[in-house]
Amino acid sequence: SQQGEEDPQALSIQEGENATMNCSYKTSINNLQWYRQNSGRGLVHLILIRSNEREKHSGRLRVTLDTSKKSSSLLITASRAADTASYFCATDGNTPLVFGKGTRLSVIA
Amino acid sequence: KAGVTQTPRYLIKTRGQQVTLSCSPISGHRSVSWYQQTPGQGLQFLFEYFSETQRNKGNFPGRFSGRQFSNSRSEMNVSTLELGDSALYLCASSSLGSSYEQYFGPGTRLTVT
Repeated sequence: SQQGEEDPQALSIQEGENATMNCSYKTSINNLQWYRQNSGRGLVHLILIRSNEREKHSGRLRVTLDTSKKSSSLLITASRAADTASYFCATDGNTPLVFGKGTRLSVIA
Repeated sequence: KAGVTQTPRYLIKTRGQQVTLSCSPISGHRSVSWYQQTPGQGLQFLFEYFSETQRNKGNFPGRFSGRQFSNSRSEMNVSTLELGDSALYLCASSSLGSSYEQYFGPGTRLTVT
């Protein structure tokens, strides 16, 4: 069963705008990760945030985690056409990673 | 370091046949996990091998099996293929295990006709 669920399912923005994606999950976690997948290719790890962290930055990425609401958000600032991809959150708990179905981001130049 | 490699990249098989997919992890990574990705079900965990032992298994029928060799290379096998097995099969390696940062290969696109 899917633990993480991303919202929205699809997002279309203009280049230079910020993109925000949300992830909700159901059970306790040790960490939450975000991945990017370009069409039909393998996933690329973006960032891992531990359950005792509230916010983490990596370049143009900002991830927040609210364990009380069992939710996380991924913010991509100043988006570029190259950011066009599907973005997945993945949670662990006491199991191997469980991925959501992803948010498909389209950045229009 | 070289990334995760998967072979073959594309495969077309007929219902009832069997198939073997191969994955070479990043050097030094002992954990290899396999995932099936379909438009309907998304990414689903198949199994994880760590130091040649199956450590975790997802909810897939016994037709799906795998193994890992002493050099950490892994294979997965699907017997008696069904149309619903058409998917992108992704392999991921990790130094710590399947709950941690995963390095994915490009995937094998399997089409069952």
